[in-house]
Amino acid sequence: SQTIHQWPATLVQPVGSPLSLECTVEGTSNPNLYWYRQAAGRGLQLLFYSIGIDQISSEVPQNLSASRPQDRQFILSSKKLLLSDSGFYLCARGLAGTNTGELFFGEGSRLTVL
Amino acid sequence: AQSVSQHNHHVILSEAASLELGCNYSYGGTVNLFWYVQYPGQHLQLLLKYFSGDPLVKGIKGFEAEFIKSKFSFNLRKPSVQWSDTAEYFCAVMITGKLIFGQGTTLQVKP
Repeated sequence: SQTIHQWPATLVQPVGSPLSLECTVEGTSNPNLYWYRQAAGRGLQLLFYSIGIDQISSEVPQNLSASRPQDRQFILSSKKLLLSDSGFYLCARGLAGTNTGELFFGEGSRLTVL
Repeated sequence: AQSVSQHNHHVILSEAASLELGCNYSYGGTVNLFWYVQYPGQHLQLLLKYFSGDPLVKGIKGFEAEFIKSKFSFNLRKPSVQWSDTAEYFCAVMITGKLIFGQGTTLQVKP
């Protein structure tokens, strides 16, 4: 199984509030995990990727951070949200045992910052 | 900087028309190439992929893509589109362990 669970599915938060988006995956252990942000007309922007527990690479300097406290759990966080953090956040995992670029995506979390 | 460019942002076609969506990338090394699709209300999913071998690859639902190394391109084609092909299409390139996406192309097929 390559099932990916993301929650919450939708979230409305005020500016300056904290954020926590969670992603858990099923299937084989030690998957590569990714957080992307999808914005209209801008495609998918890679935010973070992780090759293992506590091994996280940040792609874009921003107001967000990521953590991987367990093998199959990937969390996207912010201490203080900005208006520009609004968007659709997608968690993805790599195909088990490979790093070819073939990814499986969750259903996403839509964040609106007011 | 490594990047992926899709030339068509919004395409409108009638059913049975032919489709070609352009994709170019900027990286001189070995790459893995992908097209992903997002149908309305569904999550993003793989349409087709190229790793090596025959540069003409076939995917699901009659789609195909051709890798032209000299042009750094991986264009998506379908001879005859259907209304059900209405979706957003993303080209993606795996470069040094990271999957980088293009801006996406919204395809609208009129019945």
